[in-house]
Amino acid sequence: KNQVEQSPQSLIILEGKNCTLQCNYTVSPFSNLRWYKQDTGRGPVSLTIMTFSENTKSNGRYTATLDADTKQSSLHITASQLSDSASYICVVRGTNSGYALNFGKGTSLLVTP
Amino acid sequence: DTEVTQTPKHLVMGMTNKKSLKCEQHMGHRAMYWYKQKAKKPPELMFVYSYEKLSINESVPSRFSPECPNSSLLNLHLHALQPEDSALYLCASSQDSSGLFNYGYTFGSGTRLTVV
Repeated sequence: KNQVEQSPQSLIILEGKNCTLQCNYTVSPFSNLRWYKQDTGRGPVSLTIMTFSENTKSNGRYTATLDADTKQSSLHITASQLSDSASYICVVRGTNSGYALNFGKGTSLLVTP
Repeated sequence: DTEVTQTPKHLVMGMTNKKSLKCEQHMGHRAMYWYKQKAKKPPELMFVYSYEKLSINESVPSRFSPECPNSSLLNLHLHALQPEDSALYLCASSQDSSGLFNYGYTFGSGTRLTVV
């Protein structure tokens, strides 16, 4: 069964600090992995998408890494801001799974002043 | 235009009402999806439309009825819903539904539905 596990489940950090979120998956064969940011009551917004051959991808203060051998990904947030408070969801798509997306349960991040 | 637009943003309806959720995209995507998301849970797939034809129905109750009038529009008709159907309903689109290519998935901002 394809699984996507995220850690930690929740995280509280001070404004200006950095943090790293983890995603481990068993989806195989692998197509791509995407990190989404979801504010409460809103739809997920894509931060990065990574394919098998990509190791690192940045989007502003967000940097995602992928190790396709160990099936692990991380999302690093630099110099956090209050507006970064949200749920961060790791979503993995397999090449044989067609329409199906495999969602992690998300990491709930709270940035405090 | 790189967005998926959903209307309305909020909807409160009684259990005897009939209402519709609307979704629109102009990215030329040929696959469109409806998801249901409860609080603090990942989205759950409800329906998949591929090239305007319903290709997947994830055993969704008949009180939810999808419709795809054309390649840019997707509706979800609601009738006789239950309070437990209250959730965030998300529409999404992608270039296609095959998963063979690294085409992105774009979500709408959702409709927050409350059934009273």
